Amino acid sequence: QVQLVESGGGVVQPGRSLRLTCGASGFTFSSYGMHWVRQAPDKGLEWVAVISNDGKNKFYIDSVKGRFTISKDNSKNTLYLEMNSLRTDDTAMYYCVKDLGGGSSSLDYWGQGILVTVSS
Amino acid sequence: QSALTQPRSVSGSPGQSVTISCTGTSSDVGSYNSVSWYQQHPGKAPKLMIYDVKKRPSGVPDRFSGSKSGNTASLTISGLQAEDEADYYCCSYAGADNLFYVFGAGTKVTVL
Repeated sequence: QVQLVESGGGVVQPGRSLRLTCGASGFTFSSYGMHWVRQAPDKGLEWVAVISNDGKNKFYIDSVKGRFTISKDNSKNTLYLEMNSLRTDDTAMYYCVKDLGGGSSSLDYWGQGILVTVSS
Repeated sequence: QSALTQPRSVSGSPGQSVTISCTGTSSDVGSYNSVSWYQQHPGKAPKLMIYDVKKRPSGVPDRFSGSKSGNTASLTISGLQAEDEADYYCCSYAGADNLFYVFGAGTKVTVL
């Protein structure tokens, strides 16, 4: 079955960096686009970034452009989110999410999430 | 880009039906048949319930159905059950030149 396991979260000071990692299994990782979606404490879901199956195409929400970088290593079945110049409003649970694929723009499998807290 | 508009809460008794609306714009919901719905229980990750407006993933009960008219999508839960009590989020594709994906703020479904 599909499994997505995030790691790398924690408490970090404003302006610092953090790298999230998501290990994937149970599907052909190289065939699917992948996303990061976040949820601030007691708030709703917010899409953050997407990367195409081959890693060539990437899109970001405006608030993270120039600060966050999404990447994937198909040889390691791993998705990454490099987060620089972190701000307090980046505090959230970050979910690694698989794209449904097949031309459908939906998010079919979610990891359990990893908490990122940006605080001085 | 504003979030899609959902009611803050809806409620119903077991066995009843509830409908959650999700209003967007001609740039997202109105332009694409790419509306999806997610169920989230407290402390858990979201779960895909409906995709492409009205398709159900394998394993999702047929009590859950989706529809769309113009800029508004809807999720209907028929035969409400206690385990349906959760937060529900709609999401629409908004185009690669736009936000890409936009979510609603979420609707709390309470089973009375």
